[in-house]
Amino acid sequence: NAGVTQTPKFQVLKTGQSMTLQCAQDMNHEYMSWYRQDPGMGLRLIHYSVGAGITDQGEVPNGYNVSRSTTEDFPLRLLSAAPSQTSVYFCASSFKETQYFGPGTRLLVL
Amino acid sequence: GNSVTQMEGPVTLSEEAFLTINCTYTATGYPSLFWYVQYPGEGLQLLLKATKADDKGSNKGFEATYRKETTSFHLEKGSVQVSDSAVYFCALDDDRGSTLGRLYFGRGTQLTVWP
Repeated sequence: NAGVTQTPKFQVLKTGQSMTLQCAQDMNHEYMSWYRQDPGMGLRLIHYSVGAGITDQGEVPNGYNVSRSTTEDFPLRLLSAAPSQTSVYFCASSFKETQYFGPGTRLLVL
Repeated sequence: GNSVTQMEGPVTLSEEAFLTINCTYTATGYPSLFWYVQYPGEGLQLLLKATKADDKGSNKGFEATYRKETTSFHLEKGSVQVSDSAVYFCALDDDRGSTLGRLYFGRGTQLTVWP
């Protein structure tokens, strides 16, 4: 199993640009989530999904959209990037209280 | 609400020293408690967990005991190694017994071990 994969690893955007961070898992987990990690802040939940077609907001959802058309994929969309969205983004899937994290996407918004 | 407070770092130790990283929590219901570790340039990995009061989680020489009376889940290791250098996160999940896993994280503690 590949586990949780994320693409791209690194991305630089200009303010106002849009992009999609990809996340996929091959473990057939129903629950998936997106976190952002900022220095001194730990991980904060952006959006999560409890299954295909079902998504909900976490702590810091503003500026981000998600959809879940399949069990495997859970993309995160930035419609109009802002410098405040400079961060490291982690996708995770969950089974029986254990979360499995992807390697992360490092995003810089200029 | 749910929250986790862990000791601020960075923590710097010599190899073979004893490690304690404090973690306390606030939660509604009956949370499960976790320690995750993040090695440089990587995502988080589960280090250990405990699902009910008085349970002890252990892995790779690390231990933590779920103390409901003090709402704590302190991480300990008797003899650290250079390879233990990483950021450690305490977390809780109040959806106990469910396959859902919404986690609340502490801010992380950076550990550096010198040879």
